[in-house]
Amino acid sequence: SQQGEEDPQALSIQEGENATMNCSYKTSINNLQWYRQNSGRGLVHLILIRSNEREKHSGRLRVTLDTSKKSSSLLITASRAADTASYFCATDTGGGNKLTFGTGTQLKVEL
Amino acid sequence: DTGVSQDPRHKITKRGQNVTFRCDPISEHNRLYWYRQTLGQGPEFLTYFQNEAQLEKSRLLSDRFSAERPKGSFSTLEIQRTEQGDSAMYLCASSLRQGSYGNTIYFGEGSWLTVV
Repeated sequence: SQQGEEDPQALSIQEGENATMNCSYKTSINNLQWYRQNSGRGLVHLILIRSNEREKHSGRLRVTLDTSKKSSSLLITASRAADTASYFCATDTGGGNKLTFGTGTQLKVEL
Repeated sequence: DTGVSQDPRHKITKRGQNVTFRCDPISEHNRLYWYRQTLGQGPEFLTYFQNEAQLEKSRLLSDRFSAERPKGSFSTLEIQRTEQGDSAMYLCASSLRQGSYGNTIYFGEGSWLTVV
């Protein structure tokens, strides 16, 4: 079953704008990971945030985690056409480090 | 540093045939995972290994599915008597077990299965 739910399901923006995606989950977690997936390809790891962290940055990416609300957000700043992809959040609830994925946000960045 | 490698990338098979996928994880990664992803959905966990031991299997993994990791390195996922509902992308992933907060899990490019 899917634990995470991403919001919005689809997002279309212009190049240079910021894109924000949200993820909600249901159970306690060890960490939350964000992935990018281009059409028909595998998953590319973007960032991991631990349950004791509130914010992390990596290049143009900023991830926040609010464990009290069981939610996370991914911000991509100054988006580029190459950022067009599906973005998934995945939660690690422990017990083997396996991930439970959400349904994804399809991001389209237009020139 | 090579990533997770999967073979074949694409497989078309007739219903009822057996298929096998191979995964080579990142070297020194002791955990290996198999996931399945259908169109428009996120990946779903199937099973995982720590070294050569298969520690957990999802209810999604019917009796027709078997996974092995005989020497704690590469892994195979076999599907017997394939059905059209098995059509999906099968993703392999690996990670290094350490720490109490878990670790980054790296995915391969996936193996697409089409059952006709």
